[in-house]
Amino acid sequence: GENVEQHPSTLSVQEGDSAVIKCTYSDSASNYFPWYKQELGKGPQLIIDIRSNVGEKKDQRIAVTLNKTAKHFSLHITETQPEDSAVYFCAVPTSGTYKYIFGTGTRLKVLA
Amino acid sequence: NAGVMQNPRHLVRRRGQEARLRCSPMKGHSHVYWYRQLPEEGLKFMVYLQKENIIDESGMPKERFSAEFPKEGPSILRIQQVVRGDSAAYFCASSRNPQGQETQYFGPGTRLLVL
Repeated sequence: GENVEQHPSTLSVQEGDSAVIKCTYSDSASNYFPWYKQELGKGPQLIIDIRSNVGEKKDQRIAVTLNKTAKHFSLHITETQPEDSAVYFCAVPTSGTYKYIFGTGTRLKVLA
Repeated sequence: NAGVMQNPRHLVRRRGQEARLRCSPMKGHSHVYWYRQLPEEGLKFMVYLQKENIIDESGMPKERFSAEFPKEGPSILRIQQVVRGDSAAYFCASSRNPQGQETQYFGPGTRLLVL
């Protein structure tokens, strides 16, 4: 079955710096890669996603890059702000189905 | 357009009691998924339902857990005879279609504490 690894587990950056979180997956049939942000006491909120027909997608300060050959995708946050502090999860649908396999999460702390 | 709604947000039960968690999908969504999150862990798939049908319950424990999505009303995740190990956050998600490229939108979750 699908295996998803996420690194790092914790990340502290100074306000204004960039943060990068990486996920690797095992199923080469996977074709959709969302990233979720989870704040304390809340549910995961979709922040950006990418489909396998593109290598990069950007939305203001957030971008996602995909390397299908190496089977990894990364979340990039530029000009970080304190409100970016949260836990970030990557997810991969198993074999292109509805069953999301989540990474173990990255706790991002932006220091003011 | 309201998002996915879940209630209650917090639920406390004593061992042996029953827990009922409710989920109303986003408007226009007919596919519902339940996930469980243990502290400091990622979400784990439990069950996928469409109206009046359980499509995939491969992630749900065989005993004490059941789920339904009736023709009218919210989806219900039911846990009978709760044990301390059932303490977790339970999240519901919904999508318009079930294909792998379809985004799942999550509710705020129900945090179950078993005393």
